Amino acid sequence: GAGVSQSPRYKVAKRGQDVALRCDPISGHVSLFWYQQALGQGPEFLTYFQNEAQLDKSGLPSDRFFAERPEGSVSTLKIQRTQQEDSAVYLCASSLARFHTDTQYFGPGTRLTVL
Amino acid sequence: ILNVEQSPQSLHVQEGDSTNFTCSFPSSNFYALHWYRWETAKSPEALFVMTLNGDEKKKGRISATLNTKEGYSYLYIKGSQPEDSATYLCAFINRFGDKIIFGKGTRLHILP
Repeated sequence: GAGVSQSPRYKVAKRGQDVALRCDPISGHVSLFWYQQALGQGPEFLTYFQNEAQLDKSGLPSDRFFAERPEGSVSTLKIQRTQQEDSAVYLCASSLARFHTDTQYFGPGTRLTVL
Repeated sequence: ILNVEQSPQSLHVQEGDSTNFTCSFPSSNFYALHWYRWETAKSPEALFVMTLNGDEKKKGRISATLNTKEGYSYLYIKGSQPEDSATYLCAFINRFGDKIIFGKGTRLHILP
């Protein structure tokens, strides 16, 4: 069956450019998470959606980061005016349950490099 | 500040040998601990969800134990194979189920 997909898989951006990263979760999954993984670190929580509602955005590092999930399925993470410190792998995960208690199914990630 | 520590950071193991590594987490406000395996160029894949103190779970040659009172979990791999080479991540979920914190992972390399 279809898993979580993310696009693009790789993105190179010039500093100051805006980028949009897409996540297609497993159909029917209520919860959707975005994580940022810098080199040598574990995934750091960015934001959480329950259906279309963004219930937690406490992990977004600055107001340049914005996420949406308007119809409760596909989600987009947008980064405005990218900086070099934004270079990381951005992981999306979805789960059937509400909140964080259930197994999460991850996409392959988008590797963002900001030059 | 909640901290989840994994050790060692990196591990080289001869094929056929058994190995284990640790995830330490806050013992208070615990709800669950997840283990994931992340192979290069693939998506992280769930191994175990552990919730009860004393839990012991097994999947093939891989098993995990949980001690919530002292705040640690061990992951064991018996008879390591090349396909076990991956980064193993643990994730702590708090009592309210609204916070998840990942460790930095243990990178396991199996030597032929």
